[in-house]
Amino acid sequence: IAGITQAPTSQILAAGRRMTLRCTQDMRHNAMYWYRQDLGLGLRLIHYSNTAGTTGKGEVPDGYSVSRANTDDFPLTLASAVPSQTSVYFCASSPGTSTGELFFGEGSRLTVL
Amino acid sequence: GENVEQHPSTLSVQEGDSAVIKCTYSDSASNYFPWYKQELGKGPQLIIDIRSNVGEKKDQRIAVTLNKTAKHFSLHITETQPEDSAVYFCAASTYSSASKIIFGSGTRLSIRP
Repeated sequence: IAGITQAPTSQILAAGRRMTLRCTQDMRHNAMYWYRQDLGLGLRLIHYSNTAGTTGKGEVPDGYSVSRANTDDFPLTLASAVPSQTSVYFCASSPGTSTGELFFGEGSRLTVL
Repeated sequence: GENVEQHPSTLSVQEGDSAVIKCTYSDSASNYFPWYKQELGKGPQLIIDIRSNVGEKKDQRIAVTLNKTAKHFSLHITETQPEDSAVYFCAASTYSSASKIIFGSGTRLSIRP
C-alpha cells in the first residue's frame, strides 16, 4: 500500500533556481494539501486542492504554486527558491473536503543555499 | 483566524509514567480537534480526534479531553512505552473545511527507560 509518494526525499538547491516537489496518491482522495514544517512552528498549510482542477491558498502561499490536473498528482513549484524556503515539505490528502483524517507522505527535505 | 498554542515543546517522562500535552485555541467556532503523532523521518499520523459534542474520548492508552468553555484540549498517554517517543501535534478546525485546519507547534516526547 503506497498511499502518498513524495519525491525527491531530499534536495539541495541554489537560490534562484526553480524546483518542483512531486506528490502522488493512490487512494483516490478528492482533497490534497501541501504543508511546510519548521522547528517551533509546526505544520503550516501552503496550498490545497479540494478536487481536481481547483486549488486554493493556505497560510503561507507566497513563493509557491500548485496545479491539480488530475486526482492523483499535486506538484508544488518554487519558481525562484530563496533560503527562507528551506524546510521539510509534506504532502497530504483526505477523502473529502469536510474535516477528517489527513494522510501524509514521508516528506521532502529541501535546503536552499 | 484560528491560533493554536501547544505546551510543552519538549517532555521527558519515565517509562510507565503518564504524559500530558496541552493545547489552547482561539476561535470559538472550531469544533474538531485531532492529534497527530510524527515518528522520526516519517509524516504525521492521526492517533485520535475529538469533536465538540463530547468532552472526552479514549482509545486504549491514549485519551483526549476538551473544555470548550476554556478553549483548551489535552492529550493524555498512560503507561508510556518506548514506542511513544515521537513529536505530537494538536490541531483545530471547523467541520466545514479541512483546508482551514491549524496545527500547534508540536511537542517532542521522550520516554526514558
